[in-house]
Amino acid sequence: GAVVSQHPSRVICKSGTSVKIECRSLDFQATTMFWYRQFPKKSLMLMATSNEGSKATYEQGVEKDKFLINHASLTLSTLTVTSAHPEDSSFYICSAPGLGTDTQYFGPGTRLTVL
Amino acid sequence: TQLLEQSPQFLSIQEGENLTVYCNSSSVFSSLQWYRQEPGEGPVLLVTVVTGGEVKKLKRLTFQFGDARKDSSLHITAAQPGDTGLYLCAGRGPSNTGKLIFGQGTTLQVKP
Repeated sequence: GAVVSQHPSRVICKSGTSVKIECRSLDFQATTMFWYRQFPKKSLMLMATSNEGSKATYEQGVEKDKFLINHASLTLSTLTVTSAHPEDSSFYICSAPGLGTDTQYFGPGTRLTVL
Repeated sequence: TQLLEQSPQFLSIQEGENLTVYCNSSSVFSSLQWYRQEPGEGPVLLVTVVTGGEVKKLKRLTFQFGDARKDSSLHITAAQPGDTGLYLCAGRGPSNTGKLIFGQGTTLQVKP
């Protein structure tokens, strides 16, 4: 089946630095990918829709200058957390929809810890 | 705004017991999915229901989509410790954005 990978799986950084998280669709192309944020034992909160070749669409309340999204190719979307602060610490998950189906394939997530 | 209310949010039961998780909305969904997620991993799709009234079974798990496509339930029979995890329902709205709307999640703990 379709596989979505994320890199890195976990990252620890100092406050004020920027962190880039990659999301790749390994055996299918994705013109759209979704980025979620998840707090412990909570549900997924959609942050933005990443669109290949155009600007990302952000959900209400998500700072687009803080969470930069680039969908450079049909298999790669990146999320950059700029000037990270401890409150940005979270589990970030991406997903990509299967072509012509309702199925979304989720990445394994990236645990970000900002010290 | 479409919302999915999932309940209960926490459930702790003994091995062998049965349980039901509910997902309700005032909105109609073109399809609804159930996921299971373990700590530190991404959600894994269990099932997709599309037709109102549809019932799908996956071993000890039974999924039902309401007739009006506004609600769904997940029933687990004879729960086992391996069923422990976070269960999420997610609905796809009628628009063609591909976005999923997630319920709040149900954290299930099955004690041996």
